Amino acid sequence: NAGVTQTPKFQVLKTGQSMTLQCAQDMNHEYMSWYRQDPGMGLRLIHYSVGAGITDQGEVPNGYNVSRSTTEDFPLRLLSAAPSQTSVYFCASSYDSDYGYTFGSGTRLTVV
Amino acid sequence: SQQGEEDPQALSIQEGENATMNCSYKTSINNLQWYRQNSGRGLVHLILIRSNEREKHSGRLRVTLDTSKKSSSLLITASRAADTASYFCASGARDDKIIFGKGTRLHILP
Repeated sequence: NAGVTQTPKFQVLKTGQSMTLQCAQDMNHEYMSWYRQDPGMGLRLIHYSVGAGITDQGEVPNGYNVSRSTTEDFPLRLLSAAPSQTSVYFCASSYDSDYGYTFGSGTRLTVV
Repeated sequence: SQQGEEDPQALSIQEGENATMNCSYKTSINNLQWYRQNSGRGLVHLILIRSNEREKHSGRLRVTLDTSKKSSSLLITASRAADTASYFCASGARDDKIIFGKGTRLHILP
């Protein structure tokens, strides 16, 4: 099992560019979430999904879109990158909300 | 606003001592989870305690939950250098969101 795989590991974007952060898991987990981690802020929930075809907003959803067409994949799209979106992004998955999450290794994004 | 808030923000103790971290949350939960993050790495799940449980053990970890005070504590006994990391609590809310706090940075001194 590969667990939770995030790509890319590092990315530099120019303001206004768009991109997709990829997240894939091979554990047949229903629950998947995206978090961003900024210094001194802990992890903040961007979007989450409780199963294929179902997504919902977290604490800081503005500027991000998600979709969940398959159980395995949960991509995060930045529509028009802004410097405030410079952060480390983590994807996580779980069987359901009563189990602990398995985290990916993160994507470090810099918007200039 | 974030559900979980850890206390203290940073903690330094001697190797072999016990480390205690506290977490408070704001609304009703299904469970309370604790995670560890080593510098520059992803988070690793340590332990989950459900809302109907009061105490749980896993190796050198002991977690308590007091739903009347909306608080939890993580105790690491006989600390080791390898325990140096950031520790986060996360509250599993009834709307399926898992919300994290800001974390406690633990430093084990040799």
